[in-house]
Amino acid sequence: GENVEQHPSTLSVQEGDSAVIKCTYSDSASNYFPWYKQELGKRPQLIIDIRSNVGEKKDQRIAVTLNKTAKHFSLHITETQPEDSAVYFCAATTNAGKSTFGDGTTLTVKP
Amino acid sequence: DTEVTQTPKHLVMGMTNKKSLKCEQHMGHRAMYWYKQKAKKPPELMFVYSYEKLSINESVPSRFSPECPNSSLLNLHLHALQPEDSALYLCASSQGLGGQGFLTEAFFGQGTRLTVV
Repeated sequence: GENVEQHPSTLSVQEGDSAVIKCTYSDSASNYFPWYKQELGKRPQLIIDIRSNVGEKKDQRIAVTLNKTAKHFSLHITETQPEDSAVYFCAATTNAGKSTFGDGTTLTVKP
Repeated sequence: DTEVTQTPKHLVMGMTNKKSLKCEQHMGHRAMYWYKQKAKKPPELMFVYSYEKLSINESVPSRFSPECPNSSLLNLHLHALQPEDSALYLCASSQGLGGQGFLTEAFFGQGTRLTVV
């Protein structure tokens, strides 16, 4: 089955700095790669996603890159703010709707 | 309306009890999911329903029994659970219009925090 590895497990940055989280996956059948933000006690919420036919996608301060050949994708957050502090999960999803999540990255943005 | 609503929010049950978790969405989504999330862990997929039919069961023990009565509702029936089943149970939905239709955003409910005593 699919295996998704996510690094780092914790990340602490100064407000205004950039944050990068990386994920690798193993199943070439995965075609959709969402990133979720989960604040303590709340539901996971999508922040950005990318499909396998696209190499990069950007939405304001957030960008995602995908290298399908190498089976890795990354989340980039620029100009971080304290409200960006949360747990971030990457996921790899197949056409059948099977999503496998990475173990999560706890991001702390220090004011 | 982009809400997935789960009830109850909290549930405490004994190991001999039978209870049900409910999930509802009115976004016209045809794929619905149950996930289990333990503290400080990622969500783990349990079941996927597509067009009200069970399409994926991730080898979940039979003490968890899913049901999809119609396109808006998803239930998870619980019976003879163990303390290790205590977790946050998340429901989600996505467009799921077959094949590529699963490659769209999944909307999660707030979850039911289940404690088995």
